[in-house]
Order: sequence, then C-alpha cells, then structure tokens
Amino acid sequence: GAVVSQHPSWVICKSGTSVKIECRSLDFQATTMFWYRQFPKQSLMLMATSNEGSKATYEQGVEKDKFLINHASLTLSTLTVTSAHPEDSSFYICSASRGDLNEQFFGPGTRLTVL
Amino acid sequence: SQQGEEDPQALSIQEGENATMNCSYKTSINNLQWYRQNSGRGLVHLILIRSNEREKHSGRLRVTLDTSKKSSSLLITASRAADTASYFCMNYGGSQGNLIFGKGTKLSVKP
Repeated sequence: GAVVSQHPSWVICKSGTSVKIECRSLDFQATTMFWYRQFPKQSLMLMATSNEGSKATYEQGVEKDKFLINHASLTLSTLTVTSAHPEDSSFYICSASRGDLNEQFFGPGTRLTVL
Repeated sequence: SQQGEEDPQALSIQEGENATMNCSYKTSINNLQWYRQNSGRGLVHLILIRSNEREKHSGRLRVTLDTSKKSSSLLITASRAADTASYFCMNYGGSQGNLIFGKGTKLSVKP
C-alpha cells in the first residue's frame, strides 16, 4: 500500500512551452503533497507544500507564477512549469502524506529536459 | 542555508564491508529520517528515528541520533552491491513541516 505515481516519467520540451506533471496517490488519500526538485548530483530541495483544496505554500526563492501547483483532489496534485527554460531542467519528485507528515511516500520522479 | 550536511559525500567500499554515513543538521527536530535513492529514481524511506530515541535498528541498518551534537549516523552492515545508491537524511526545517534534506552520501559497493 501507499503507492505514489508520477506522470510522465520523463519529458523533453522546447524552451517557452509549459509542462504539467501529475502526482497521484494510488491507494490512499493524500491530505498533503510535497514537490521537490533535484539538480544533478545535488540533494532534494523542497519547492512547495500543497494541501487539498487550498493554495500551495511555496518555499523561499520558488516562483509561484512559474511553478503552478494544483491539489484538486485527495489523490491528485499537479505541478505546471510555465514557460520552461533550460535552467528548469531537473528531476522533479513529489511525495504524499496521509496525515502524518512524519511519513511521506515518494513518487518515482519526473525528469524534465528543456531544450 | 538550512540544508543539512552528510559526510562523506562519496564512499566506495567492497562488498561485505560496513558503510557508515553521517548527517548533521541545524534546527531542532521532531524526528530524523534516512532515505535511499537509486540513480534517477524516487526516494525510498529507510528508517525514522525520533528525537527521544538514541538508536534504532532495521535489518542491516543501524541509525544513531545525538541531539546534543545535532548529528545522526547510518550504518549499513555487510554491504551488498545492491546497496549502491545515494543516501539522504531528512529533518524538518522549511515553511510547513520544515522539510530539509541533507546533501547525500553516494555509496558505491563493489562486488
């Protein structure tokens, strides 16, 4: 149990386009979902925290207009990278919590390459 | 930066040897967690140790926590080639739930 999926697993897009990444909790209701970004050979950096039905809370330095997060249901959160540029190329990982923030379940990640 | 630190950054050992990784953090914590990440994959939760615990075991894993020194260590005993991965510690320190990952230790176990 407690499986989190992400779609797509990888995406290549042209500079200036927008890309949507989905994060789904498959067998549990996720009250809170987290979005992380990981650059090559670096650790995960928390981008934002989203609770179902409310606006996401962004970490300092993360542009909310650039990275749109929607947590429309208890099983789905989406991250949209708007007007993507090569510097947005990264590995994006989501995680989901079913109430206890001490326990998070991670998705497999989405590799975004912006040409 | 609130990011924690792991050392060593990279560790290469032979199969069967023990691997020890350390993590230091800067804020007070409720708990500290260790995760494993295979190259290009998502994270896998390994073990959680609460702030009132000093040591915890799970299979070949042993985690210690020293809150006075704000540090934790992860010991993998009798390592296997399949243990090759990056290992991260995580504690709370952001704007909600205070989530901070360390920089990670890249472990390579040679058969």
